[in-house]
Amino acid sequence: DAKTTQPPSMDCAEGRAANLPCNHSTISGNEYVYWYRQIHSQGPQYIIHGLKNNETNEMASLIITEDRKSSTLILPHATLRDTAVYYCIVRVLESGGSYIPTFGRGTSLIVHP
Amino acid sequence: GAVVSQHPSWVICKSGTSVKIECRSLDFQATTMFWYRQFPKQSLMLMATSNEGSKATYEQGVEKDKFLINHASLTLSTLTVTSAHPEDSSFYICSARKSTEAFFGQGTRLTVV
Repeated sequence: DAKTTQPPSMDCAEGRAANLPCNHSTISGNEYVYWYRQIHSQGPQYIIHGLKNNETNEMASLIITEDRKSSTLILPHATLRDTAVYYCIVRVLESGGSYIPTFGRGTSLIVHP
Repeated sequence: GAVVSQHPSWVICKSGTSVKIECRSLDFQATTMFWYRQFPKQSLMLMATSNEGSKATYEQGVEKDKFLINHASLTLSTLTVTSAHPEDSSFYICSARKSTEAFFGQGTRLTVV
């Protein structure tokens, strides 16, 4: 069963904010929300992660709803180089180091001029 | 930082030959690495988990005799595609685990002609 649901594709105008949603209605209390992106013909790149508080870094902001059943990744000023597939993943932070990264289909974001 | 490097970035080989792809963790030691395959417009599919000093664990449906994985050191894992065929043409990505996180290589584009 998929733990996250994302729209297959979105588009955004350059310079505008890109808001990418993710539903994770079955998320457990100890699971974090992670976001990666994959630019065409490159490996996945970590963007941001959070547990329940909103997070911001130099790449993006992550807004997690109070019930934690959904989240939104915000690219505040999208550029053409942000065109990529964005993956939302929920996972625990295993202290024993047993994490195996797995990916769903993600959202293909196209930023147009 | 945590940098994972793959080599080569792309390779073209003749049908029936073997191709080796290297995955190196440049600034950390990785007891566990992962190998993925990605076909056009599809998500990353985990092929195998590579553990230093032991046999790799292959996902269901992945032929271990065709996709040979060697993880002989804490910074290097190799994937050898043996007797390659055109249907093996794909984008191969490795990932190395550091503590609770995973870091990805830039991928290798394999084309079998």
